[in-house]
Amino acid sequence: SQELEQSPQSLIVQEGKNLTINCTSSKTLYGLYWYKQKYGEGLIFLMMLQKGGEEKSHEKITAKLDEKKQQSSLHITASQPSHAGIYLCGAALLMKTSYDKVIFGPGTSLSVIP
Amino acid sequence: DAGITQSPRHKVTETGTPVTLRCHQTENHRYMYWYRQDPGHGLRLIHYSYGVKDTDKGEVSDGYSVSRSKTEDFLLTLESATSSQTSVYFCAISESSAGLISLYEQYFGPGTRLTVT
Repeated sequence: SQELEQSPQSLIVQEGKNLTINCTSSKTLYGLYWYKQKYGEGLIFLMMLQKGGEEKSHEKITAKLDEKKQQSSLHITASQPSHAGIYLCGAALLMKTSYDKVIFGPGTSLSVIP
Repeated sequence: DAGITQSPRHKVTETGTPVTLRCHQTENHRYMYWYRQDPGHGLRLIHYSYGVKDTDKGEVSDGYSVSRSKTEDFLLTLESATSSQTSVYFCAISESSAGLISLYEQYFGPGTRLTVT
């Protein structure tokens, strides 16, 4: 969706290096999800952020929602081949209907070279 | 892992034939969703359900119908499959919908790869 952009589109890093993936919304986010998808498989839930400035960590992955709540970053420390995959952000946008829409970014493809 | 299964996992069908995909959950979650994932478009919502027999359209609902007769099952039907419906279909579940007060995780099934020839 053009409402939600991710950068970079793809990333190739050497094992052990740190990296950051960004997710930017054109609208104020009421919350944000990060997922990881291995090629040809389903989406694995990583974490969910709701409050501006909130930061969460899961193993070597840290995600933060900025204060103005229009951008989130996902940071991986000391990358490993097991981190390879597609990372997708999903944003909760308040709509005027009863369903509060969740839209997804196009994904960032990460390759980690041993 | 959330208890979500999808069947079939792979299907090849011919244009014009009806196809039904099944999503089954063991979590007793109220909300269920069908998405399709395509290169260049990402994940797009087809239909969702907020309870038994309660369903509504998503952003790409044309050509698709859904039914939910039990909490645990959500069916997606392509009445007359077209080549443009070749895609990977994902089912997801959540305890409730996203909102101002709180967010709820959406958990995804393993996906169904559908090819329409």
